[in-house]
Amino acid sequence: AQSVTQLDSQVPVFEEAPVELRCNYSSSVSVYLFWYVQYPNQGLQLLLKYLSGSTLVKGINGFEAEFNKSQTSFHLRKPSVHISDTAEYFCAVQTGANNLFFGTGTRLTVIP
Amino acid sequence: DGGITQSPKYLFRKEGQNVTLSCEQNLNHDAMYWYRQDPGQGLRLIYYSQIVNDFQKGDIAEGYSVSREKKESFPLTVTSAQKNPTAFYLCASSIRRRTGSGYTFGSGTRLTVV
Repeated sequence: AQSVTQLDSQVPVFEEAPVELRCNYSSSVSVYLFWYVQYPNQGLQLLLKYLSGSTLVKGINGFEAEFNKSQTSFHLRKPSVHISDTAEYFCAVQTGANNLFFGTGTRLTVIP
Repeated sequence: DGGITQSPKYLFRKEGQNVTLSCEQNLNHDAMYWYRQDPGQGLRLIYYSQIVNDFQKGDIAEGYSVSREKKESFPLTVTSAQKNPTAFYLCASSIRRRTGSGYTFGSGTRLTVV
């Protein structure tokens, strides 16, 4: 069975500062990893995904994530955040063509 | 443009009434999903369907029902048996049996029971 842990439920950060949102997973088989963003009262939008190849994945809105197999992590980073990045971020794992498993989310609040 | 449409955006119902949430997709996806979202609890899977006329219970199916008569549509009925139905409901779809396909989400329906 697989699971996803998002270690921080809330992350406040000042505007233009860097941010890292942490995600760890557990699985006995190979995984595909995703980050989704949810703005208030909206659905989830795909930020980026790791399927194979380069472990550094670049996504939309300047976000990137690095897959670390030995540490079973897939942390999301942005070098300089904007007010518009305030949202909830979900990490998800998929094995093969099975259902996605989602973490409980991290609420990023960017402070002016 | 292809996508998933959930309607209505906001829904108010009296306690004890059944209510049906609509989810339609034109992505030609085989699989569809319903999630419930409550503050601080992430996404919880209610029901999913991998193919027309077939569906499976998720983690919190009690008090809900679904149908999948058409590939494009996967309506969710919140019945009077659901003890705490006020929540944000999300519908999603995916390509069946494609590894690493991920999901496409609708914009959600916020249900408030008074």
